[in-house]
This record gives sequence, C-alpha cells and structure tokens, in this order.
Amino acid sequence: QVQLVESGGGVVLPGRSLRLSCAASGFTFSSYGMHWVRQAPGKGLEWVAVIWNDGTNKYYADSVKGRFTMSRDNSKNTLYLQMNSLRAEDTAVYYCARASYTYAVDYWGQGTLVTVSS
Amino acid sequence: QSALTQPASVSGSPGQSITISCTGTSSDVGAYNYASWYQQHPGKAPKFLIYEVNNRPSGIPDRFSGSKSGNTASLTISGLQAEDEADYYCSSYTISSTYVFGTGTKVTVL
Repeated sequence: QVQLVESGGGVVLPGRSLRLSCAASGFTFSSYGMHWVRQAPGKGLEWVAVIWNDGTNKYYADSVKGRFTMSRDNSKNTLYLQMNSLRAEDTAVYYCARASYTYAVDYWGQGTLVTVSS
Repeated sequence: QSALTQPASVSGSPGQSITISCTGTSSDVGAYNYASWYQQHPGKAPKFLIYEVNNRPSGIPDRFSGSKSGNTASLTISGLQAEDEADYYCSSYTISSTYVFGTGTKVTVL
C-alpha cells in the first residue's frame, strides 16, 4: 500500500532554515509527481509546491517562492523541501502528498509540524 | 493565488442531502475540469473524495458526488451519515500550473 512518511519538522528560529524529507513506499516513486501541502494550526489547507516525476519542473505558491525549494531523489524514493528564511507564518503541519494522474492529490502522509518561533 | 471560496459551515440531519459550493475564477475552477474534493477529520490527514469534478476514486461511496457550473464547483453528500461530520476542501489546478485549495467547510450532522 502507498505510504508517505514525513520527517524533519521541529522548532526553528525566524530567519533560519529547515529541510523536510518524505520517504515514499508502496508505489513506483519515479512515475509520480509529488506535492507539499501545509496547514497552519486551526486553519485550512494551503498548497505549497509540486514537482514532476522526473524533477524537471517545479511550481511554487507565491507565499514561498524564492524561499522554499522542492527536490527529489528517485534512487532513494525520497522527496525534500528546503525551507529558508523561515517566518512565523510558515508555522504549520507540512504534508507530503502524491499527485494523481488526474490533477488531484490521491495519497497523503501524516504530516510533520514546523514551528517558527523565537 | 487567492484561495477558492467555500461556505464556512453547512449542516444537515441524518439522511438529508447537503451541497458545498467552491467558487474560483476563470483562471482555476473555470479553466479546466480539474476540481477535486477532500475530507478531513480532526487530527487526521485529508482523504481524497472526488477528482475531475465528478469522479470518485475506488472505495468512495456514491453518496458523494460532484458537479461544476462556470467558476463554481460543488460537492453533494446524499443520505448524510454521522461519520460525514468533518471538514471538506475543494482544490483546482490553475492556468499557471499551480494548485489552489478552498477555504474549507465544516459539515455538522445534527
């Protein structure tokens, strides 16, 4: 079965960096695009970024463009999100999710909490 | 990249039908038939409900159905059940090759 397991969350000071990882299993990772989606405490879902299956194209939400970088290592079945210049408003649970072939998100991880606070 | 607009809350009694709207623009919902819907129970990850406006993934009961008119997508839950009480989010692919989620709707089963 499809499994997505995020790691790397924690408490970080404003302006600092953090890298999230997502280990994928149960499907052919290199055949699927992947998303990061976040959810601030008590708030709704916010799409963050998508990467194509081969990593050639990446698209970002305006709120993170220039600060966050998404990448993947298909040999390790792992997705990454490098987050720089973190702000308090980046505090959220970050979900790794699989892109379906129908422009939707079909599987989600359980999320990892990032807290940006001094 | 403004969030799609959903009503904050919708309620209904068991067995009734409810409809949740999701209003976007001609750059997202209105541009393609790529609206999707997700259900989220408290403390859980979202669950995939509907894709391409009105298609259900395997395992999703036919009580859940979707539609679209212009820039507005809708999710209808027929025969409302207690376990349907959750938050619901719409999403759409956009003309910029990005995605956008809705503001979310809390469904209460009375």
